[in-house]
Amino acid sequence: KAGVTQTPRYLIKTRGQQVTLSCSPISGHRSVSWYQQTPGQGLQFLFEYFSETQRNKGNFPGRFSGRQFSNSRSEMNVSTLELGDSALYLCASSSQVTATEAFFGQGTRLTVV
Amino acid sequence: AQTVTQSQPEMSVQEAETVTLSCTYDTSENNYYLFWYKQPPSRQMILVIRQEAYKQQNATENRFSVNFQKAAKSFSLKISDSQLGDTAMYFCAFIPFSTGANNLFFGTGTRLTVIP
Repeated sequence: KAGVTQTPRYLIKTRGQQVTLSCSPISGHRSVSWYQQTPGQGLQFLFEYFSETQRNKGNFPGRFSGRQFSNSRSEMNVSTLELGDSALYLCASSSQVTATEAFFGQGTRLTVV
Repeated sequence: AQTVTQSQPEMSVQEAETVTLSCTYDTSENNYYLFWYKQPPSRQMILVIRQEAYKQQNATENRFSVNFQKAAKSFSLKISDSQLGDTAMYFCAFIPFSTGANNLFFGTGTRLTVIP
């Protein structure tokens, strides 16, 4: 059974640009959550989608958005990139309404220059 | 507010020895799950062990066990017979049932180094 796949693994963008990250959950999983990991702030919850609906959103500006497709794949978009958006972005998938076990991808390392 | 505190930023242990990582949390919820995740240099978060808050029995997974004290809101991880492959960042996390969403609250992590 394939794990959670995040693409791309590495990304370098310039301030002001926008970026789209992709996450393919484990087959059959309907929940996808996104997290931002930085040395200073640790792991912070961005948002979660379940069956194409956003169920919860963390405390991030509106520049951060996401969506989920009917096949449960999810994308995260960040517009007008800032230097502070440099981080490891992790996604997690779960088959449950409440994640009794969340499976993580290897993350996308975004560097904003 | 839901918070998780890991008071040990770094720890080290000799190979084959035992080490305990501390975690405390704060929540007004009564039903929740607690987790320990491991993040090796490969960056992928791997679930080490989980505990249901309504279960009094401490969870055990091979060399990994927890000491869950619900009243004290404490959830420590004990690693026995430490191995070099245990070197990683360890994150304590929990998820309350009431949010109706999969939102894990993480601690700041403990970097564990196993010394040969």
